[in-house]
Amino acid sequence: EADIYQTPRYLVIGTGKKITLECSQTMGHDKMYWYQQDPGMELHLIHYSYGVNSTEKGDLSSESTVSRIRTEHFPLTLESARPSHTSQYLCASSAYTGLTEAFFGQGTRLTVV
Amino acid sequence: SQQGEEDPQALSIQEGENATMNCSYKTSINNLQWYRQNSGRGLVHLILIRSNEREKHSGRLRVTLDTSKKSSSLLITASRAADTASYFCATDSRTSYDKVIFGPGTSLSVIP
Repeated sequence: EADIYQTPRYLVIGTGKKITLECSQTMGHDKMYWYQQDPGMELHLIHYSYGVNSTEKGDLSSESTVSRIRTEHFPLTLESARPSHTSQYLCASSAYTGLTEAFFGQGTRLTVV
Repeated sequence: SQQGEEDPQALSIQEGENATMNCSYKTSINNLQWYRQNSGRGLVHLILIRSNEREKHSGRLRVTLDTSKKSSSLLITASRAADTASYFCATDSRTSYDKVIFGPGTSLSVIP
């Protein structure tokens, strides 16, 4: 069982609200990722981090922001949620060597109404 | 566009049969990985194959990699109903080593 946790699992929120999706891992991994996935579709990389104080945007343009103040914590924030943000958000982590598997959290399914 | 593309998009087989899924990618890679996702859940890592490897086994899974064709295949032997899931290939790239890019996935249904 992977030690990477996402909260909340499900979130229904109104348009314009600020939300933060939490992701924590206890494996000491330097690399962490956020992916966005619509039902039955591929994953799109939206943010990643090499380590503390390092964040990069992924391939999919996203209005969200991330921070990496602690190794184990990689929260994703939407300042003003819109219905177009409705999706599943998956957090993952992997060891820094770059040749190791990624461990995924269970995901947060976000619905913006 | 995404680095990896799986084929077929969907596959339905009887329990006990073998399932083969293919993945093609566009740029040179360091390694390729296969993941499984059960409906509505996170992904689970299945197997990693490095660019200098041609074949790898793990239990009922067999992965091949052909870097000249930029393609990989995942074979699940003696399938079970519990194998029903979506399967994704994921690649890094030599120019963006730390980014793992996923293909659109193959949806596998194993009928009991």
